Amino acid sequence: DSGVTQTPKHLITATGQRVTLRCSPRSGDLSVYWYQQSLDQGLQFLIQYYNGEERAKGNILERFSAQQFPDLHSELNLSSLELGDSALYFCASSVGTGWYTGELFFGEGSRLTVL
Amino acid sequence: SQQGEEDPQALSIQEGENATMNCSYKTSINNLQWYRQNSGRGLVHLILIRSNEREKHSGRLRVTLDTSKKSSSLLITASRAADTASYFCATVLPAGNDMRFGAGTRLTVKP
Repeated sequence: DSGVTQTPKHLITATGQRVTLRCSPRSGDLSVYWYQQSLDQGLQFLIQYYNGEERAKGNILERFSAQQFPDLHSELNLSSLELGDSALYFCASSVGTGWYTGELFFGEGSRLTVL
Repeated sequence: SQQGEEDPQALSIQEGENATMNCSYKTSINNLQWYRQNSGRGLVHLILIRSNEREKHSGRLRVTLDTSKKSSSLLITASRAADTASYFCATVLPAGNDMRFGAGTRLTVKP
């Protein structure tokens, strides 16, 4: 158990809909990262937050947005969903501000299926 | 976009044998990390090697880094069935604002 909690574990929805994925980082971790894992794209970095502020941005679509709240939990909002958005979405956390200091602790992921 | 490329894509060995996975990358890095992922589960950090290091050990794991060749290898010695998983290398760019994963090596260890 990494200490990172993601909900929901599974989500099935239709094209055009909007969903929210939630992540609670490990106790004491200030950074939260979101990754998307799909068969064709592999693991793609989406976005990072540190102590409530956006820190780094990766291949996040404009239809997607995220935020980190004062209690440090984070939400990833996916809107106008397309079939290609079906993937496993991971949240990870770390103590420090970035990847220099080492390991990320990953949650078990939220599997999104868009029909 | 992916930075690292693992080789081989899949590897099948018997318990007790050693498993070697390779990772090549394209740009300069600050550090390189290896992660393990059991099927459909979250990734677990294995080891981090910095750009000024050449080799690191952790238990049955040995990682090497050759920055001149832009490559790294992960050696798992005396493999066990429980080592069956996908292994990913991830490179952290010098600016520290991105960590890119390779496509992974699927390791199967047969009992």
